[in-house]
Amino acid sequence: GNSVTQMEGPVTLSEEAFLTINCTYTATGYPSLFWYVQYPGEGLQLLLKATKADDKGSNKGFEATYRKETTSFHLEKGSVQVSDSAVYFCALSAGVNTDKLIFGTGTRLQVFP
Amino acid sequence: GAVVSQHPSRVICKSGTSVKIECRSLDFQATTMFWYRQFPKQSLMLMATSNEGSKATYEQGVEKDKFLINHASLTLSTLTVTSAHPEDSSFYICSAPGQGARGANVLTFGAGSRLTVL
Repeated sequence: GNSVTQMEGPVTLSEEAFLTINCTYTATGYPSLFWYVQYPGEGLQLLLKATKADDKGSNKGFEATYRKETTSFHLEKGSVQVSDSAVYFCALSAGVNTDKLIFGTGTRLQVFP
Repeated sequence: GAVVSQHPSRVICKSGTSVKIECRSLDFQATTMFWYRQFPKQSLMLMATSNEGSKATYEQGVEKDKFLINHASLTLSTLTVTSAHPEDSSFYICSAPGQGARGANVLTFGAGSRLTVL
């Protein structure tokens, strides 16, 4: 079946450090891939997405490239800020109903000044 | 952009009682809503798809009689945990497809409801 695996957290970084959060997936067909972010006390928000192989999603300095050959969608940011502290979820959608998402376990990012 | 409101954000109840969680779409209509459950350090697990005007569609392994879902209007879906037990303690999250700031279809999530059953 379809599944998403992402690295366990927490990830602790100093401000301006480089961020990578790994995400790999298993899916039949050609899923769409997403990164969602959850700030404290708020709902999940879509951060970026990619719908086909080699697509790069980007938003707020974050990037992720849909790699079909390695079934990966790693999240990266060149210079993190304290305000990026949140929980990040990798997800995929596959099949007819593209609103049905399968999530990874989430990775907590903590950025210190 | 679209906003989904969940209430209550936290609820504590005694074992054997029932608890209702509301999910409302603000400023947009949602014929479909999704209910997720999240255990500590685990993925969000899709429980069911709520359909306005018809029965909910439950995922495999989810007890329909335990988790009652009612989609009474185009802006409200409710999840009732019946005869709750400590193992039902979890974080419940709803989402609905709505329009984002740029008009694109965006899946919008509520902030979640933490249920603790004593």
